[in-house]
Amino acid sequence: EVQLVQSGAEVKKPGESLRISCKGSGYSFTSYWITWVRQMPGKGLEWMGRIDPSDSYTKYGPSFQGHVTISADKSINTAYLQWSSLTASDSAMYYCARPTRGGDSGMDVWGQGTTVIVSS
Amino acid sequence: DIQMTQSPSSLSASVGDRVTITCRASQSISRNLNWYQQKPGKAPKFLIYDASSLQSGVPSRFSGSGSGTDFTLTISSLQPEDFATYYCHQSYMAPQTFGQGTKVDVK
Repeated sequence: EVQLVQSGAEVKKPGESLRISCKGSGYSFTSYWITWVRQMPGKGLEWMGRIDPSDSYTKYGPSFQGHVTISADKSINTAYLQWSSLTASDSAMYYCARPTRGGDSGMDVWGQGTTVIVSS
Repeated sequence: DIQMTQSPSSLSASVGDRVTITCRASQSISRNLNWYQQKPGKAPKFLIYDASSLQSGVPSRFSGSGSGTDFTLTISSLQPEDFATYYCHQSYMAPQTFGQGTKVDVK
């Protein structure tokens, strides 16, 4: 079964760092990009960026460039989303997703989501 | 960046109704348009890709149409399990973008 399994919920303080993960299984991890999507409470879906696990080439959405880092470790079929200094506005649900085709296309496989709460 | 505008933002409907949601892109995206359904507390579910291709396992009451800048998602006969929020998504170019969503609730 093709699936993406994300790491668990996080509660952090402002200024702390954080890395959440997304592990792929049931398919060739390096053949499909991984995309990260943010959903703030009660709001819509926002495309944060994506990574090609085969070479770690990344592309970020303009609102997220410089605020997060997307990376991948193809040896363990895992992609990451990382913050160096969290703020309250980073509180959201974060999903990873895989395109139905290798590159830019609709996303047919989604992780279960990781809730991030940033509060003092 | 390509802006995606959905309308309406919300609608109220009854079981059996025909429901239509539109999505407009700020520039041509060919047919690189996808639709998702999301229920509260759940990840989005992939419904339609390439504007009109039904994802495997999705009921045939869902259909999509359009090309260029104007697209439509239609539910031919709304079922109880279809009350949800629907999003369009352009995968034509990065940064990819989503519409703001259309919430379908019970009339």
